[in-house]
Amino acid sequence: QKEVEQNSGPLSVPEGAIASLNCTYSDRVSQSFFWYRQYSGKSPELIMSIYSNGDKEDGRFTAQLNKASQYVSLLIRDSQPSDSATYLCAVNRNTGFQKLVFGTGTRLLVSP
Amino acid sequence: GAVVSQHPSWVICKSGTSVKIECRSLDFQATTMFWYRQFPKQSLMLMATSNEGSKATYEQGVEKDKFLINHASLTLSTLTVTSAHPEDSSFYICSARGLYGYEQYFGPGTRLTVT
Repeated sequence: QKEVEQNSGPLSVPEGAIASLNCTYSDRVSQSFFWYRQYSGKSPELIMSIYSNGDKEDGRFTAQLNKASQYVSLLIRDSQPSDSATYLCAVNRNTGFQKLVFGTGTRLLVSP
Repeated sequence: GAVVSQHPSWVICKSGTSVKIECRSLDFQATTMFWYRQFPKQSLMLMATSNEGSKATYEQGVEKDKFLINHASLTLSTLTVTSAHPEDSSFYICSARGLYGYEQYFGPGTRLTVT
């Protein structure tokens, strides 16, 4: 079992729809969770961080965390073609140097 | 805020030469910096973690004598690829974590091509 699992996609949604990206993790003691966006050929960009169970909203983005189910998701409302990218879920190991463990990413395609 | 720069953005070098990549946190102090490598259409691979003033911690399978990391200050870390070979051609990305919080902020990356 991978430590952080994501569906590789592609997830295709029409412009204006809600895109729902999911991630599960195996380490129960993980405390910090992050979503990064990576455009092709570019480095990852931090979109959201979430530490507590529940929802966290920032503009069109909502991160949801359920530690009991070891599940974190990212909702993108009013999806735009510019949102087309790979979305990486990352989990913080609360040991040592606080390394992030990344999922392999979900590719999102938003069609006009 | 939380801007990380890398220099150079791309570099081409001949096999057997060494290349140095700089990573700087521009508007915050980075206690910990991380170096990643990413091959086309593959996931990020963590190479090493460095704390200011300490020796870097390398991930399993990463040759520390080939990938020299120096974290000289709270705003600068360098990665030197020594005796580069074509198989070292990749996208090298650094990230930095500040004094507070657990977020990592990534630099724009350095594309290395070894001919």
